[in-house]
Amino acid sequence: DGGITQSPKYLFRKEGQNVTLSCEQNLNHDAMYWYRQDPGQGLRLIYYSQIVNDFQKGDIAEGYSVSREKKESFPLTVTSAQKNPTAFYLCASSVQGAETQYFGPGTRLLVL
Amino acid sequence: KQEVTQIPAALSVPEGENLVLNCSFTDSAIYNLQWFRQDPGKGLTSLLLIQSSQREQTSGRLNASLDKSSGRSTLYIAASQPGDSATYLCAVSSNDYKLSFGAGTTVTVRA
Repeated sequence: DGGITQSPKYLFRKEGQNVTLSCEQNLNHDAMYWYRQDPGQGLRLIYYSQIVNDFQKGDIAEGYSVSREKKESFPLTVTSAQKNPTAFYLCASSVQGAETQYFGPGTRLLVL
Repeated sequence: KQEVTQIPAALSVPEGENLVLNCSFTDSAIYNLQWFRQDPGKGLTSLLLIQSSQREQTSGRLNASLDKSSGRSTLYIAASQPGDSATYLCAVSSNDYKLSFGAGTTVTVRA
């Protein structure tokens, strides 16, 4: 089956800890994205990548980092510099940047 | 900066009633507009995509209109069913590959 997978479904972070969220797609899409969703707010773009080995900051990149070493993978690291990381994180991909984006099932990050 | 607003934030209707969901955006220089559905704790599913040159798109019971000059889009869902209960999100694409999302309208269809 083609699609986007995210793991884990739930993730717990301790103070001062870096954690990495996984996003994998087998749709052969060039573009991939990371969004953060908070209650009562729209999705906000953290980082996006249009091609392997290249990525750009979105609207709320501070405290996050990404890599794009393979076309199918776009992991997101939430660093200790992100002081309010509790949120629902969604990964997406698309054929080209402005076309329909396909979303993964999400990862909920909680702080212990 | 593009601002996207969805009103109302929540809507409850009896089964069979038609649904009308509104989306407004501040910058009319858009590439396209998309409507998504999100079930609780899940990812987003794309419902309809309207290119900036189009006025509307239809898929089954769903119809979305776009008035770019006034910065408005409306999603119509005919003959609502309990399975239509979800949050509906509007998103606008600029030419630099970014989507700007509204906060969504949470719909409850009562059986």
